[in-house]
Amino acid sequence: KAGVTQTPRYLIKTRGQQVTLSCSPISGHRSVSWYQQTPGQGLQFLFEYFSETQRNKGNFPGRFSGRQFSNSRSEMNVSTLELGDSALYLCASSSTPGQGANIQYFGAGTRLSVL
Amino acid sequence: AQSVTQLGSHVSVSEGALVLLRCNYSSSVPPYLFWYVQYPNQGLQLLLKYTTGATLVKGINGFEAEFKKSETSFHLTKPSAHMSDAAEYFCAVSFLSGNTPLVFGKGTRLSVIA
Repeated sequence: KAGVTQTPRYLIKTRGQQVTLSCSPISGHRSVSWYQQTPGQGLQFLFEYFSETQRNKGNFPGRFSGRQFSNSRSEMNVSTLELGDSALYLCASSSTPGQGANIQYFGAGTRLSVL
Repeated sequence: AQSVTQLGSHVSVSEGALVLLRCNYSSSVPPYLFWYVQYPNQGLQLLLKYTTGATLVKGINGFEAEFKKSETSFHLTKPSAHMSDAAEYFCAVSFLSGNTPLVFGKGTRLSVIA
């Protein structure tokens, strides 16, 4: 069974641009969560989608948005990029929504560098 | 608010020595606890989790962790470190009730010295 796939693996953008990251969950998983990982702040929750609906959102500005498609694939978008958006963005999938005892399976991440 | 504290951002051990990575949580309700490992340029991989029942949890690669409610701790141990254990380790907490997301500690980087 294929794992969580994130594309692209690396991105370089300049301030003010916008970017879209993609995540394909494990087959059969309908829940997708996104996290931002930085050396200073660690892993921070961005949002979770289940069945094309956003179930939960972290404390990030509105420049960060996401969506989920009917095949459970998810995208996140960051508009008007800032230097501080440079980070590793991780996607995780699980079979059921919410956290609880669910195991989240992580992709390798997309490393975004904003110049 | 729920939180996770990992003591020591960097731990260094000799090959063959005991590995002990500390994790304490703050919660007003019973938590579910996880340890994840991240190797360079990779995502997070689950090592083990505690939900209910036995407080000593065994995971992959010889790691285990013990849930101590009285100490609000979930420390990760391995009797004998191997070079391949060098990685970053994250403790995380979640809850049955509510809609709160997984909360991670800041991580502990483990170095293994030959």
